[in-house]
Amino acid sequence: QQQVKQSPQSLIVQKGGISIINCAYENTAFDYFPWYQQFPGKGPALLIAIRPDVSEKKEGRFTISFNKSAKQFSLHIMDSQPGDSATYFCAASHSEVSQGAQKLVFGQGTRLTINP
Amino acid sequence: GAGVSQSPRYKVAKRGQDVALRCDPISGHVSLFWYQQALGQGPEFLTYFQNEAQLDKSGLPSDRFFAERPEGSVSTLKIQRTQQEDSAVYLCASSFYGSYNEQFFGPGTRLTVL
Repeated sequence: QQQVKQSPQSLIVQKGGISIINCAYENTAFDYFPWYQQFPGKGPALLIAIRPDVSEKKEGRFTISFNKSAKQFSLHIMDSQPGDSATYFCAASHSEVSQGAQKLVFGQGTRLTINP
Repeated sequence: GAGVSQSPRYKVAKRGQDVALRCDPISGHVSLFWYQQALGQGPEFLTYFQNEAQLDKSGLPSDRFFAERPEGSVSTLKIQRTQQEDSAVYLCASSFYGSYNEQFFGPGTRLTVL
């Protein structure tokens, strides 16, 4: 059962444009939603994360928009640059430490290409 | 400071062989996770350690998969009698204990089973 669905699978954006990647989740117990960036041959690296008590979080050129009622969240990359070309994964987890783990449930990934 | 390291980076095994994959987490990180990433897919959770205790192994696909972290630092993921479907990148991640803590990932071990 795919608990986090991500789209699109691939995305091509011109330099300077806005890249938008969307995710939807099913488990209403999720309360932590990070985005990871992965380059070929590397492990995923945290880009930005949000909790459901806010609807938007911005860090530099990266913004997460969160819609709790729709169970959806998205990543916006403003002024996209060729160096942003990578695979992006959304993820979700419980924060409840008493459950023992904040294991991440990942989306399928979006391969982003920024054309110069 | 050093990040999460994994070894070997690449491993080729013949079907039926046993393999052992090592993870060195960031010093002081209590939590350690193993994930499996198939080609073109997102990582999938395998197992979780808090110090030396394995608190969640719900993601291990079969009893051929075994993980340990005997002294609460280095962890080893062992796969017995490897099968072709075990071919994937195995990622290790570590974090401080507690809510909302970032998981830091290693570069992964790419396992190819022939």
